[in-house]
Amino acid sequence: KQEVTQIPAALSVPEGENLVLNCSFTDSAIYNLQWFRQDPGKGLTSLLLIQSSQREQTSGRLNASLDKSSGRSTLYIAASQPGDSATYLCAVGPDYKLSFGAGTTVTVRA
Amino acid sequence: NAGVTQTPKFRVLKTGQSMTLLCAQDMNHEYMYWYRQDPGMGLRLIHYSVGEGTTAKGEVPDGYNVSRLKKQNFLLGLESAAPSQTSVYFCASSSWDSTKNIQYFGAGTRLSVL
Repeated sequence: KQEVTQIPAALSVPEGENLVLNCSFTDSAIYNLQWFRQDPGKGLTSLLLIQSSQREQTSGRLNASLDKSSGRSTLYIAASQPGDSATYLCAVGPDYKLSFGAGTTVTVRA
Repeated sequence: NAGVTQTPKFRVLKTGQSMTLLCAQDMNHEYMYWYRQDPGMGLRLIHYSVGEGTTAKGEVPDGYNVSRLKKQNFLLGLESAAPSQTSVYFCASSSWDSTKNIQYFGAGTRLSVL
């Protein structure tokens, strides 16, 4: 059974600092890895999807890396802003069925 | 552009009551999913469907039933609600194309069972 862990559970940084969010998974036989953002009381929004054959994906200030052999992914958010405050979840799938981590709640202080 | 719509948004039930949660998507997606989210835990898959008329069990299916009579709708039923089913329920949908398998989520249904 795939286990997905995100540490730390919560993170607080001053505005402008770069964010580094970690995700680890136990079974390296994944098909893809996705990072989602969840605002309080809202649903999840997909940020980045990395196929198993890829090492990283970038979108604007966001960059996600994937190291299948070590079972790790990292989401980098450059020059954080108060609007980046949210919970970030990673999810991995052997296919379309995803296993989710519990998320890291980020607070960016103005 | 509605995306994935869930109804109702909130519901309070008494133990033993039944209810149905409705999920509708307008993206012509083949795959649809029901998850539950509990504090301190990741989302857990309850049931899913890979096409109209088909459903399958996920990680935590007990106490729930689903139906997908139309491609755009996926219903989640609780026949006899229990306090352990107090949770936030999310519906999602995605394309069959594995390279585009981004899941799109609804806003959630907050259910309390007393």
